[in-house]
Amino acid sequence: DAGVIQSPRHEVTEMGQEVTLRCKPISGHDYLFWYRQTMMRGLELLIYFNNNVPIDDSGMPEDRFSAKMPNASFSTLKIQPSEPRDSAVYFCASSPPGGQPQHFGDGTRLSIL
Amino acid sequence: AQSVTQPDIHITVSEGASLELRCNYSYGATPYLFWYVQSPGQGLQLLLKYFSGDTLVQGIKGFEAEFKRSQSSFNLRKPSVHWSDAAEYFCAVAANQAGTALIFGKGTTLSVSS
Repeated sequence: DAGVIQSPRHEVTEMGQEVTLRCKPISGHDYLFWYRQTMMRGLELLIYFNNNVPIDDSGMPEDRFSAKMPNASFSTLKIQPSEPRDSAVYFCASSPPGGQPQHFGDGTRLSIL
Repeated sequence: AQSVTQPDIHITVSEGASLELRCNYSYGATPYLFWYVQSPGQGLQLLLKYFSGDTLVQGIKGFEAEFKRSQSSFNLRKPSVHWSDAAEYFCAVAANQAGTALIFGKGTTLSVSS
């Protein structure tokens, strides 16, 4: 079975540019999570969706970050404008009805120069 | 508020030796507990989970963990470590089963010496 698919795997861009990260959850999963991993803060939740509806976005750092889930098989996390402090690995995870366990994608390593 | 503490940042174990990675959590009720492993450049893979019932849970790759309510701990163990076990290990807690976010510890990096 296909797992959670994230693209791109690596992204290097200059400060001020718009960045879009993409995620395809596992088919049949109705929860989708976006996490960010940094050396300083570890793994932290940014936002999560249930049945395509955002449930908790309290972890989104600021208005520069936005996330959408237009359908059950696709989600995006957008940063506009990007800043060097946004450099991190961004993970998408999905989980089945009932909520756990979460299955993680391989992440997007983002570098903002 | 929930929190997870992994006291050991880095552990080195000889191949074939036993392993125990420590995890302490803070949560008022019985939490849902998880151990994940992350190899370099990879996502997180679930090793095992505890929701209820038997406090000793078995996972993949020969790992097990024991939930001890009195100590607020959920330590991960393996009787004999293989070189391929070198990775970063994360303990995590969820407030309930129903799709809430995971709160992760800072992780423990395991090195395996020959």
